Amino acid sequence: AQTVTQSQPEMSVQEAETVTLSCTYDTSENNYYLFWYKQPPSRQMILVIRQEAYKQQNATENRFSVNFQKAAKSFSLKISDSQLGDTAMYFCALNYGQNFVFGPGTRLSVLP
Amino acid sequence: DTGVSQNPRHKITKRGQNVTFRCDPISEHNRLYWYRQTLGQGPEFLTYFQNEAQLEKSRLLSDRFSAERPKGSFSTLEIQRTEQGDSAMYLCASSVPGTSYEQYFGPGTRLTVT
Repeated sequence: AQTVTQSQPEMSVQEAETVTLSCTYDTSENNYYLFWYKQPPSRQMILVIRQEAYKQQNATENRFSVNFQKAAKSFSLKISDSQLGDTAMYFCALNYGQNFVFGPGTRLSVLP
Repeated sequence: DTGVSQNPRHKITKRGQNVTFRCDPISEHNRLYWYRQTLGQGPEFLTYFQNEAQLEKSRLLSDRFSAERPKGSFSTLEIQRTEQGDSAMYLCASSVPGTSYEQYFGPGTRLTVT
């Protein structure tokens, strides 16, 4: 079975600081994608960043970057220069074939 | 607005009633997904369409759940004989042709079964 684990139910960070959200996963697939999605309060989910498993280089999108450790099956998200608008639930997700598996989420609060 | 839309946004129903939700994907997206999200959890994949073909439905929660996409455009999710455990947010997403990633999510339909 494919699983995604996020061990930090809640985190907080001061505005302008850096925070790292953890994600581990388990899959027997060789070709898969990993994602971080953001779900702000009462708003719809949006894609933050994605990583193809066959790429060794870590993905980066502006203030968001990942640390992808394929052997360890780890996929953490680093948010630099945190902003108040980053306050949201963050979900790590695994895609293989037509299947998607989401983790339970980490609630991030950015404090002024 | 060219995003994914879902209707209704909220639905309150009594146990035992049938409910139907609608999802309108982004127009050029041929792939459409349904998820269920319960409070404090991540989305749980239910089913997937490519155009009008339902390519994955083994994850539908029971035979009370069914989904259609008759013309390859909008989709409906029906729950028959609702139970209190069906109370959740039902999310729809669509993705660009040729890929399963880069899903664009709708705002969801929140179902409350009393």
